[in-house]
Amino acid sequence: GIQVEQSPPDLILQEGANSTLRCNFSDSVNNLQWFHQNPWGQLINLFYIPSGTKQNGRLSATTVATERYSLLYISSSQTTDSGVYFCAVERGDMRFGAGTRLTVKP
Amino acid sequence: NAGVTQTPKFQVLKTGQSMTLQCAQDMNHNSMYWYRQDPGMGLRLIYYSASEGTTDKGEVPNGYNVSRLNKREFSLRLESAAPSQTSVYFCASSEFSLHTGTGRRNEQFFGPGTRLTVL
Repeated sequence: GIQVEQSPPDLILQEGANSTLRCNFSDSVNNLQWFHQNPWGQLINLFYIPSGTKQNGRLSATTVATERYSLLYISSSQTTDSGVYFCAVERGDMRFGAGTRLTVKP
Repeated sequence: NAGVTQTPKFQVLKTGQSMTLQCAQDMNHNSMYWYRQDPGMGLRLIYYSASEGTTDKGEVPNGYNVSRLNKREFSLRLESAAPSQTSVYFCASSEFSLHTGTGRRNEQFFGPGTRLTVL
């Protein structure tokens, strides 16, 4: 099946800093989503982005399908951004990366 | 509009016991999914249902059965629970199936999860 790799595995930031999370995948995909899993375990949809660039407030995402990667940008991070960020790709089935655990310190 | 709901939220079983996890969605979606999440890992697909009356195996189906009761409800059954099935279980739904291909927005929406411990 398709392989999904996320980097970095862990990230610690001071409040106000910017960050870039990366998702690499091993084959072409039909769909790609980014999720935030908050400290209570809830999965929150961030972006549905099989290709192109989207922005939502302080967050933006870019997927370059031809080069098989996607980036999630978080600007001016806040403590509420803490949690685990997952990339998930779909090609016949749905595969998740192992996630990036983000900790934002006040 | 509750989205995707799951019951129960928590469950503790003894090895060999059986139980059914319930999932319902009110978004009129055609496809529904069951995933498990183990510590430090992403979610893995157990089973999915592309439409009412159909089910297919995902990445980790062994030890589980599913029933698509109607368009709204999709249940996951553990017939004889094992400690290896200790996990958090998530249900999800989407408008289209996994084999839809490109060109359709097939975003998945997740329920709050069920934390299952098997002793």
